[in-house]
Amino acid sequence: AQSVTQLDSQVPVFEEAPVELRCNYSSSVSVYLFWYVQYPNQGLQLLLKYLSGSTLVESINGFEAEFNKSQTSFHLRKPSVHISDTAEYFCAVSRLAGANNLFFGTGTRLTVIP
Amino acid sequence: NAGVTQTPKFQVLKTGQSMTLQCAQDMNHNSMYWYRQDPGMGLRLIYYSASEGTTDKGEVPNGYNVSRLNKREFSLRLESAAPSQTSVYFCASSDQGFEQYFGPGTRLTVT
Repeated sequence: AQSVTQLDSQVPVFEEAPVELRCNYSSSVSVYLFWYVQYPNQGLQLLLKYLSGSTLVESINGFEAEFNKSQTSFHLRKPSVHISDTAEYFCAVSRLAGANNLFFGTGTRLTVIP
Repeated sequence: NAGVTQTPKFQVLKTGQSMTLQCAQDMNHNSMYWYRQDPGMGLRLIYYSASEGTTDKGEVPNGYNVSRLNKREFSLRLESAAPSQTSVYFCASSDQGFEQYFGPGTRLTVT
């Protein structure tokens, strides 16, 4: 079975400061990895994904995440956050084979302070 | 392209009442999913449908039933609502790329 751990439930950070949201997973099989973002009162939107290839993946709004197989991690980083990045962020995993169900972490609420 | 749509957006039920949450997607996706989101617990899969005509249980199926009406529509039914089913419900769909597209959610309160 797959599981995802997001250790930080809340992360406050000042505007223009860097941020890292941590995600660790456990799985007995190879997985795909995802970060989703949820803005207040909205559904989830895909931020970025790792399927194969380069272990560093980037989003269009400046976030990046690095797949580290040895540490079973997929941490999300941004070098300089903006007020508009305030949201809840969910890490998720999916098996490579079989039903592509997503297993979600419990989420990290990022609050950017002006 | 509306993506994934859900109705209703809000609902209040009394314990024991029944209701059906509707979901439709216009992306021609094969797979559809129902999740519930509770504070501090992330999203948990209730049921999914890998393709038209098939449905399977997820992590928390008790108290729910689903119907994959056709390729576009996937409904979730609560036969006898309980306060423990107070939650936000999300429908999602996906195709070969494993990326799931989510609807805006239904906020359900059971009193």
